[in-house]
This record gives sequence, structure tokens and C-alpha cells, in this order.
Amino acid sequence: KAGVTQTPRYLIKTRGQQVTLSCSPISGHRSVSWYQQTPGQGLQFLFEYFSETQRNKGNFPGRFSGRQFSNSRSEMNVSTLELGDSALYLCASSQASTTSNTGELFFGEGSRLTVL
Amino acid sequence: KNQVEQSPQSLIILEGKNCTLQCNYTVSPFSNLRWYKQDTGRGPVSLTIMTFSENTKSNGRYTATLDADTKQSSLHITASQLSDSASYICVVSGNNDMRFGAGTRLTVKP
Repeated sequence: KAGVTQTPRYLIKTRGQQVTLSCSPISGHRSVSWYQQTPGQGLQFLFEYFSETQRNKGNFPGRFSGRQFSNSRSEMNVSTLELGDSALYLCASSQASTTSNTGELFFGEGSRLTVL
Repeated sequence: KNQVEQSPQSLIILEGKNCTLQCNYTVSPFSNLRWYKQDTGRGPVSLTIMTFSENTKSNGRYTATLDADTKQSSLHITASQLSDSASYICVVSGNNDMRFGAGTRLTVKP
């Protein structure tokens, strides 16, 4: 069974640009959640999608957005990139909604974004 | 404010020794607590998931404990191996809220 796949693995952008990251969950998983990981702030929850609907959202500005497609694949977008957006962006999939559920989260390897 | 605090921040032990990592939280209401292992440059991998009613759960050489009254959890690693070198992250979930600890960086030396 294939794991969670994130693309691209690495990317470099400049300030002001926008970026789209993709996540393919494990087959049969309906929940996809996104996280930002930086050395200073650690892991932070961005948002979660379940059956194409955003279920929860972390404390991030509106420049961070996402969506989920009918096949459960998800994308996140960051517009007007800032230097502080440089981070590892992780995606995780689960069979059920993650936060108040004991369903196991399966993480991808992440997309490392560098903003110059 | 819902917080998750982990200690120590980093730890160095010799191969074969045991160690215990701590996680204190103030997340309320509480739904579940998870421990993850994250190798450098990789995504986190789940070690254990515990709900309110569980106070101990094992996964091989990893044993997690939970005291929901004092809001404390620990992760005990037995007979450490070089491959245990990683960051260990405690994650606490409540109602539609998920909080991450900053992690403990464990280094196992030969």
C-alpha cells in the first residue's frame, strides 16, 4: 500500500511569489491535514480537510489556503510568500478526522520550501 | 492557552541505555495524546496513541504512560539503539484542536 506522497520535495521561491504544494493520501483515507515545521516554532497545524470540506484551521494568515478534491488528494497554496514561510510543509492522511479522533496519522516526507 | 511542553529539549545517551522523555500539557478538553518519532529530513512516524482511559501503551521498546489527572505523559525507551536517534514529538488533541510539543532531540552514541 503506497504511503502519503508529497510533491514537490524541494522548491525555492522568491518573496512575493506564490506556491502550490500537493499531497496524495493513502488510498481509502478521507482526511488530509497540513502542518508547517520550522526550527523555531516546531510543528504547527495549518488545516484539515475531510471529504472535500475544511474541518479545522490553525492560526495562520489568509495567505495560506488549501483544498481537497473528490479523490481525497489535497493541495495547499501560499500566496505573497515571505521569508518566514521557509519551512518543511508536512501532509498527513487519516481514515477519519484527526483532531478529536484516535485515528492514526500517516505523514508524508514533506515539501521543503525555501523563500529567498 | 492550550500548551504542550516537552523536556528535556535534547538528550545524549549511550547505546543500550534506557531513557525517559517527558510531556506536560494543558490542552482541555482532552481527547488523545500521541507520540511521534521523526528522523532528520523525514516525516513523523506514529509510536503510540492514548486516550483518557489508557495509562500505558507499548510499541516494542517504546512505552508511553499517561496521567490524565496531572496532565503528564512520558515516553520510555528501553535498550536504546543507534537508530533511536531522532526527534520525539508529543501531540495532544482536544475538541478540534491539535497542539504539538517542540520535541526532544535524542542522540544515541555507540
